[in-house]
Amino acid sequence: GQSLEQPSEVTAVEGAIVQINCTYQTSGFYGLSWYQQHDGGAPTFLSYNGLDGLEETGRFSSFLSRSDSYGYLLLQELQMKDSASYFCAVRASYSGAGSYQLTFGKGTKLSVIP
Amino acid sequence: GAVVSQHPSWVICKSGTSVKIECRSLDFQATTMFWYRQFPKQSLMLMATSNEGSKATYEQGVEKDKFLINHASLTLSTLTVTSAHPEDSSFYICSGLLMASSGYNEQFFGPGTRLTVL
Repeated sequence: GQSLEQPSEVTAVEGAIVQINCTYQTSGFYGLSWYQQHDGGAPTFLSYNGLDGLEETGRFSSFLSRSDSYGYLLLQELQMKDSASYFCAVRASYSGAGSYQLTFGKGTKLSVIP
Repeated sequence: GAVVSQHPSWVICKSGTSVKIECRSLDFQATTMFWYRQFPKQSLMLMATSNEGSKATYEQGVEKDKFLINHASLTLSTLTVTSAHPEDSSFYICSGLLMASSGYNEQFFGPGTRLTVL
């Protein structure tokens, strides 16, 4: 099966940088995704790392090290609207042709304070 | 990006009744759709994988006779919660898998359906 570990809560100041780590154990690993979810809303896709290294999308960056089974999400220039839960999710193989399954971590609640 | 809708967005029902939730891919065809359940302040848990024209694959611990899934077309999957009980109250989220000819594929999530069973 799959298991993921990420911190349950993080607090950071507006304008600062915060890093949310994720470690995983899985079989049939394709890559690591990150999602943002505001209270009462659906998860929104942020990034995907299929290969080792850093992917940058605006203020958000994500990193993967397959050999270490580790990844992180980096949020820069934090804004109040970034207060949300952030989930790492492993993409792993699934019997359906060309498909994959997502297994989500328990989420990290980020609180951005003034 | 691809859009997935869910209907209804929220529903309240009496214990023992059945509730149907629809998941539609609006601008793409989704051979595969996924159903998740999320309890308050918890993570999304995959319930089942739905493939168009075939039986759904349920995750361990999910009762297939209680959570009926039908994926009759490439744009519609339905989840029916039968004989609902208060412990079934949760946030149900579906996703559709967009598979492009380039090999790119991504799950796009619906807005979720909040079910409250009284």
